[in-house]
Amino acid sequence: DAEITQSPRHKITETGRQVTLACHQTWNHNNMFWYRQDLGHGLRLIHYSYGVQDTNKGEVSDGYSVSRSNTEDLPLTLESAASSQTSVYFCASSDGSGEISRTDTQYFGPGTRLTVL
Amino acid sequence: AQRVTQPEKLLSVFKGAPVELKCNYSYSGSPELFWYVQYSRQRLQLLLRHISRESIKGFTADLNKGETSFHLKKPFAQEEDSAMYYCALSMTQGGSEKLVFGKGTKLTVNP
Repeated sequence: DAEITQSPRHKITETGRQVTLACHQTWNHNNMFWYRQDLGHGLRLIHYSYGVQDTNKGEVSDGYSVSRSNTEDLPLTLESAASSQTSVYFCASSDGSGEISRTDTQYFGPGTRLTVL
Repeated sequence: AQRVTQPEKLLSVFKGAPVELKCNYSYSGSPELFWYVQYSRQRLQLLLRHISRESIKGFTADLNKGETSFHLKKPFAQEEDSAMYYCALSMTQGGSEKLVFGKGTKLTVNP
């Protein structure tokens, strides 16, 4: 069955280290998104992509980067991890090939819990 | 600017009681509204969207443009409805599919 996966599911790292979180979807969806989920803030968009070689900054993009070299993957990189980036990170994807006037359902991965010490 | 407000962080009701999770939005264009749900130890998933005008798991939500609201309602809550609920807003201009989420409401249905 098609799905969206994230790895690792849990990660502990130290301040200043580079960290990459993986997101992989097998639906052949055009659109992919990264969110962080924090108590009191809900879900906030970090970066998103509407297709290969396309990336865009979201609401809280500082300190994060993404690249889209193929349809299936959108890795999220924390260039120099900070304690403020301790959070649960969710990847999502949506079709993006239908009517441009409609928003497609987003399908979420299981999340990655990142702790920065 | 787009904004979604869920005024209640926590909502607790008894089984069989009606439940209403409030959502208000701020957007000058034509809104698309969604409710997403996250059950314990499960991933976030779409519950319903206003354009579908459907009832999912007994939940309904009506878009009220005059009051800029999209409240989620269920006449008789069940214990399995306990979860985190997020209201989300999307623009419909230019094919953008970004969602703006509210901060969420944690619903607890007590036996």
